[in-house]
Amino acid sequence: DIQMTQSPSSLSASVGDRVTITCRASQGIRNDLSWYQQRPGKAPQRLIYAASSLQSGVPSRFSGSRSGTDFTLTISSLQPEDFATYYCLQRNSDPWTFGQGTKVE
Amino acid sequence: QVQLQESGPGLVKPSETLSLTCTVSGDSAIFGTYYWSWIRQPPGKGLEWIGYMYYDGSTKYNPSLKSRVTISVNMSKKYFSLRLTSVTAADTAVYYCARDGFFDSSVTHSWGQGTLVTVSS
Repeated sequence: DIQMTQSPSSLSASVGDRVTITCRASQGIRNDLSWYQQRPGKAPQRLIYAASSLQSGVPSRFSGSRSGTDFTLTISSLQPEDFATYYCLQRNSDPWTFGQGTKVE
Repeated sequence: QVQLQESGPGLVKPSETLSLTCTVSGDSAIFGTYYWSWIRQPPGKGLEWIGYMYYDGSTKYNPSLKSRVTISVNMSKKYFSLRLTSVTAADTAVYYCARDGFFDSSVTHSWGQGTLVTVSS
């Protein structure tokens, strides 16, 4: 199984900050990675797919990138509604696997 | 755009079978190259992929659940289902259904709102 190591597990930030979250795959997964945001009590919402493609309707302050097996989600200027938990998901190889999550506080 | 809605019992007794249905609406292109998936999230924990049925009828399951799980799809009736046998308290979770395209894009992706299933006597 492909392991997705997500870091950090939590971070403290302020409105307007630039925030970066990373997922490292245990082996190559091409660009088959997406990022999700989950607010408390709500279903996860996809932000990014195919490593760097913005999901329709998602603000442009969210972006994704890839360097080898390292994937990064960047929030360019944190907004109040962005305080949430973020997960990565790889769908390159079965079983699909999620990262452990990053809580932005 | 497609909408997905989970339904089923909110309470299941230990050792019994959990059965959930995901109703698909709002998209005329039901018969496409899609993955029909289930994901779950225990209270206060992260997301766990359960498995999917692909449009050709093939299935893939999380190895940790493989012996107990079945996913089936009935696209003529626009729903797909999850069965999980011999449940224990560890299966208590919010269960989500999802659809994703083989050729990933914004329009082929959708998640349901989730349904909480509690395993308790």
